[in-house]
Amino acid sequence: EAGVVQSPRYKIIEKKQPVAFWCNPISGHNTLYWYRQNLGQGPELLIRYENEEAVDDSQLPKDRFSAERLKGVDSTLKIQPAELGDSAVYLCASSLGGRPSTDTQYFGPGTRLTVL
Amino acid sequence: DAKTTQPPSMDCAEGRAANLPCNHSTISGNEYVYWYRQIHSQGPQYIIHGLKNNETNEMASLIITEDRKSSTLILPHATLRDTAVYYCIGIQGGSEKLVFGKGTKLTVNP
Repeated sequence: EAGVVQSPRYKIIEKKQPVAFWCNPISGHNTLYWYRQNLGQGPELLIRYENEEAVDDSQLPKDRFSAERLKGVDSTLKIQPAELGDSAVYLCASSLGGRPSTDTQYFGPGTRLTVL
Repeated sequence: DAKTTQPPSMDCAEGRAANLPCNHSTISGNEYVYWYRQIHSQGPQYIIHGLKNNETNEMASLIITEDRKSSTLILPHATLRDTAVYYCIGIQGGSEKLVFGKGTKLTVNP
């Protein structure tokens, strides 16, 4: 069974440019998460989807970040415009659904973003 | 918030048991203790979780104290491929948000 797929794996852009990350979750997983991981830190949740609905986006910087999950499957996370401080690894995870505290999450390999 | 405390780093000899501690004194009674690990340049990988009882799977064992204020992840026979950052996950109360700390960097030495 395929795991969580993310692309691209690496992205280098100049500040003020837009960037987008794509995630394809495990088949049948209703819940999708986007995390950001800064160097030397653990992942931090940006947004959680239950099917198409964003049920927790409290940590998403809405002035420049946006996300969508069309048809409740694939998801795209966008940053526009990117800032130097956005350099990080962006991780996507999925789970069957239910309470996050009892639901195992499966992570993709992440996209490493470097903003110059 | 259910915050967790882990030592920043540990070393273990190959073939020996690795015991990774975690304090989670604020965890609620109905919240699970989750452990993940992250090998360099990969996404976090689920290891094990538990509520009250000790748990074992093909990867590890989880020992949870009776008061649930701490737990220990045991890798019974560590290999070089177990070198990774190990995260004990806390739950942010009320929001169901998993909170990753900085984890423990485990280095398995030959």
